Amino acid sequence: GENVEQHPSTLSVQEGDSAVIKCTYSDSASNYFPWYKQELGKRPQLIIDIRSNVGEKKDQRIAVTLNKTAKHFSLHITETQPEDSAVYFCAASIRKAAGNKLTFGGGTRVLVKP
Amino acid sequence: DSGVTQTPKHLITATGQRVTLRCSPRSGDLSVYWYQQSLDQGLQFLIQYYNGEERAKGNILERFSAQQFPDLHSELNLSSLELGDSALYFCASSVQFQGSVYEQYFGPGTRLTVT
Repeated sequence: GENVEQHPSTLSVQEGDSAVIKCTYSDSASNYFPWYKQELGKRPQLIIDIRSNVGEKKDQRIAVTLNKTAKHFSLHITETQPEDSAVYFCAASIRKAAGNKLTFGGGTRVLVKP
Repeated sequence: DSGVTQTPKHLITATGQRVTLRCSPRSGDLSVYWYQQSLDQGLQFLIQYYNGEERAKGNILERFSAQQFPDLHSELNLSSLELGDSALYFCASSVQFQGSVYEQYFGPGTRLTVT
């Protein structure tokens, strides 16, 4: 089955700097890659996603890039702010008529220092 | 607020007991997914239902079962509970037609503590 690796597991950045989180996936049939932000004790919140027919997507300070050949995708957060502190999860999914479960990476704990 | 609701928020029970977790999807969503989040296993997919039918299964234990009702709400039943079942259980929902992939939105979760 699909396996998703996420790095780094923790990331500490100074406010205003950029943060980059990288994920690799194993199944070349995966075609949907969402990113979730989870604050302590709360639900995972979808922040951005990308599909396999697109190489890059941007939404204000966050962007995601996808390299299908290398089977990796990355989350970029620019001009980080203290409220960006959270755990971020990448995930991969395969479109199937039977269902499209998400396989998650292990998470990255991001701390933005003021 | 994602529009997905889950009850109860917290559940404390003893080993060997059985509990039921409930989820109501966003209005219009036909698919419901259940995920387990524990400290050592991360977020793990358990099971998916689409319009009342089971569609995909993950590493769900035989002691766990789920169903989706005609009004589209879903219940996850956990029986013969063990200490290791203590975790956050999330429900997510999405629209799904003809195998296309749609965004999944998560509910607030149920924190289960088995003592």
